[in-house]
Amino acid sequence: DTGVSQDPRHKITKRGQNVTFRCDPISEHNRLYWYRQTLGQGPEFLTYFQNEAQLEKSRLLSDRFSAERPKGSFSTLEIQRTEQGDSAMYLCAMKEGETQYFGPGTRLLVL
Amino acid sequence: AQKITQTQPGMFVQEKEAVTLDCTYDTSDPSYGLFWYKQPSSGEMIFLIYQGSYDQQNATEGRYSLNFQKARKSANLVISASQLGDSAMYFCAMREGYRYGNKLVFGAGTILRVKS
Repeated sequence: DTGVSQDPRHKITKRGQNVTFRCDPISEHNRLYWYRQTLGQGPEFLTYFQNEAQLEKSRLLSDRFSAERPKGSFSTLEIQRTEQGDSAMYLCAMKEGETQYFGPGTRLLVL
Repeated sequence: AQKITQTQPGMFVQEKEAVTLDCTYDTSDPSYGLFWYKQPSSGEMIFLIYQGSYDQQNATEGRYSLNFQKARKSANLVISASQLGDSAMYFCAMREGYRYGNKLVFGAGTILRVKS
């Protein structure tokens, strides 16, 4: 158990629909990260939070993507008007010491 | 330029033998960290081992060791006494200095298959 849960674990949606994913660290950690992993590739950084503040966003995070961490604990990642290219695994990680520990991920399939 | 390069798309190893997975990195930052993660077919990223750029000794964690050669910018993972459960995708990753927010940059991965 990595101490990070993600919900849902799987999501199938139709192109154009909005989806929201949730990440819950079991204990409070200052830094929370989101990554996206497409098939056959390593994860790519999307964004990260220091407490409630979103400190950096990757250029991969188009204006259809928005992430929040309202109380500095759990975080949500929303994708509006989904496209087939959004199909990927979305991974959340929390930083403890030098290491990032990942949740189980949310697999998104856009039809 | 690629920051993390894993040149072996796939590797086979006989059960109980040792295997080395290659990783080279590129950075001009003197402070960085190197990580290896395992990703089984279930998809979860499992942390295996960490090496800091200022660490004098190679990191070890059970059957995993990291062969850190700073001058060559390599950080190879050595798995000793391979087990069937080691079959998975393995990713090398780097964290650069703190001004980069500690985000990880990953390589493309190496698929390891352990044969019985």
